Amino acid sequence: KNQVEQSPQSLIILEGKNCTLQCNYTVSPFSNLRWYKQDTGRGPVSLTIMTFSENTKSNGRYTATLDADTKQSSLHITASQLSDSASYICVVSAAQTGANNLFFGTGTRLTVIP
Amino acid sequence: DAGVIQSPRHEVTEMGQEVTLRCKPISGHNSLFWYRQTMMRGLELLIYFNNNVPIDDSGMPEDRFSAKMPNASFSTLKIQPSEPRDSAVYFCASSLGRGGYSNQPQHFGDGTRLSIL
Repeated sequence: KNQVEQSPQSLIILEGKNCTLQCNYTVSPFSNLRWYKQDTGRGPVSLTIMTFSENTKSNGRYTATLDADTKQSSLHITASQLSDSASYICVVSAAQTGANNLFFGTGTRLTVIP
Repeated sequence: DAGVIQSPRHEVTEMGQEVTLRCKPISGHNSLFWYRQTMMRGLELLIYFNNNVPIDDSGMPEDRFSAKMPNASFSTLKIQPSEPRDSAVYFCASSLGRGGYSNQPQHFGDGTRLSIL
């Protein structure tokens, strides 16, 4: 069964600290993995998209890693800011036709406190 | 550049009423997606259009839901009759390329918060 699991469910960190969010998946065959940031009351915003051959991809203070062998991805946030407070959603795409090739994690709720 | 535009931002209506949600995708994008988000189930893909044609509607929960894309710049999601369990935030997204396995990012609107009383 194709699934995406994220951990932790929620996380509170101090401003300026680093943190790492995890995404494990069982989706097969794999096409790509996306990380989205969703602020409260807003739509998700794409942070990174990684294909099978990519191990690391950065977007400013956000760095995503992908291990296709173990089917794990992480999102590392460096020097956190208050504006990083949001939900982070991992989405894995299967290499198959049709709209039902997208599998969603339930997200990690990150709170950055001063 | 204008992003994906959804209307209305909020909708409150009584069960049994017809609800129509609207979406204007980013100009030039050829794929459009409708999603539903709830606390219990997270984000769920309802339907996906490519070049105005519905490609897969397997995520549409039941016949009460229907979606149309009459042209490249407009889409609607309709619920008739509405029920309290339809209460959720509905997002529209657009992208270049074809489907979820395109490596192009999806651009989301800010959603319609729907409450069915």
